Amino acid sequence: ILNVEQSPQSLHVQEGDSTNFTCSFPSSNFYALHWYRWETAKSPEALFVMTLNGDEKKKGRISATLNTKEGYSYLYIKGSQPEDSATYLCAFHGNTGKLIFGQGTTLQVKP
Amino acid sequence: ETGVTQTPRHLVMGMTNKKSLKCEQHLGHNAMYWYKQSAKKPLELMFVYNFKEQTENNSVPSRFSPECPNSSHLFLHLHTLQPEDSALYLCASSPIRVGVAGEVNEQFFGPGTRLTVL
Repeated sequence: ILNVEQSPQSLHVQEGDSTNFTCSFPSSNFYALHWYRWETAKSPEALFVMTLNGDEKKKGRISATLNTKEGYSYLYIKGSQPEDSATYLCAFHGNTGKLIFGQGTTLQVKP
Repeated sequence: ETGVTQTPRHLVMGMTNKKSLKCEQHLGHNAMYWYKQSAKKPLELMFVYNFKEQTENNSVPSRFSPECPNSSHLFLHLHTLQPEDSALYLCASSPIRVGVAGEVNEQFFGPGTRLTVL
């Protein structure tokens, strides 16, 4: 059974704090790791698709790193803002051709 | 907006009803997906269509019946559901089915239909 774990499950930070969370995934048969941002009552929105070990991607204040050999990815948010409040999902793409999603990390940023 | 719309956004139905969920994508994609999210569980893949052909049925009970008349539209027909089928049902699309020839293209999601079965 392929398992994708995200931690923490939820996080409350103050505006301006930097934060990070983790996605753990199988280290074998790796094709890609996807990160999504999901605001309440909206569609999940793709942030990054990462394919290479050591990959680092950045979009504004959000960045992600990838370690395929040990099976983890970190998502970092620098200087959190209230509009960053959302659930962040990661999804493992292995050789089954399916995306296996984690449960998500729910971030609340207090003004 | 992701270019993927779903209707209705909310649906309440009895166990003997028949209803359908609709998904439409305006992105010119060739693959479409149905996912289910039950409370406190990860998104779970149900069905995959690639160029209108079903390529994946993830052991979904027959009371859920998908239909893909063309690459832009996807339906999920619901019949004699159970209360435990209450969940958020999400549709997604991608240029081609994830995994085909090593493709790793991202999926674009709709906002989901919140289904309650009484």
